[in-house]
Amino acid sequence: AQSVTQPDIHITVSEGASLELRCNYSYGATPYLFWYVQSPGQGLQLLLKYFSGDTLVQGIKGFEAEFKRSQSSFNLRKPSVHWSDAAEYFCAVGSQGGSEKLVFGKGTKLTVNP
Amino acid sequence: DVKVTQSSRYLVKRTGEKVFLECVQDMDHENMFWYRQDPGLGLRLIYFSYDVKMKEKGDIPEGYSVSREKKERFSLILESASTNQTSMYLCASSNHLDTEAFFGQGTRLTVV
Repeated sequence: AQSVTQPDIHITVSEGASLELRCNYSYGATPYLFWYVQSPGQGLQLLLKYFSGDTLVQGIKGFEAEFKRSQSSFNLRKPSVHWSDAAEYFCAVGSQGGSEKLVFGKGTKLTVNP
Repeated sequence: DVKVTQSSRYLVKRTGEKVFLECVQDMDHENMFWYRQDPGLGLRLIYFSYDVKMKEKGDIPEGYSVSREKKERFSLILESASTNQTSMYLCASSNHLDTEAFFGQGTRLTVV
């Protein structure tokens, strides 16, 4: 069965520091991978997605993620965190189109210290 | 700008009431979803629909039903609301060409 693991429930970083959020997945077919961000009280917004091709993908707000098939990972990174990045981040996996649905991890809450 | 709109941001209902949560999307998407979000549990799929009048149970369908009479609208129904259904409810949609899901703003439901 498909599953997504986000090992870190809560991460705290200082503003300006680098960030890496971990995501591991279990999926039988070629995975489509996503990172979403949720600000408090809001819905989820797509940060980036990977379908195929270059394994390093760029997203909005200066985020990037790298797909590593051998490690079944899709970690999210940002070189320098801003206070406005404080939010909850969700990794998700699915397959190509059709009636497929996404499977989400349980999320990582990011706190940014001034 | 593409949109998924949920009818209410905040809702307070009494135990035993029948509750309707409405979701409308303007992207002509085939797939629509209802998720429930609780602290520490992430997003859990309640029901989804891949076409008009079609529905499938997700991971936690008990106590819920859904209706999809038109392509753009997907309703979640709590037949008899209970306090353990107090939660954030998120609606999403996607098309058959890729799996990217677009989310609404969420409905915070409190059952008292």
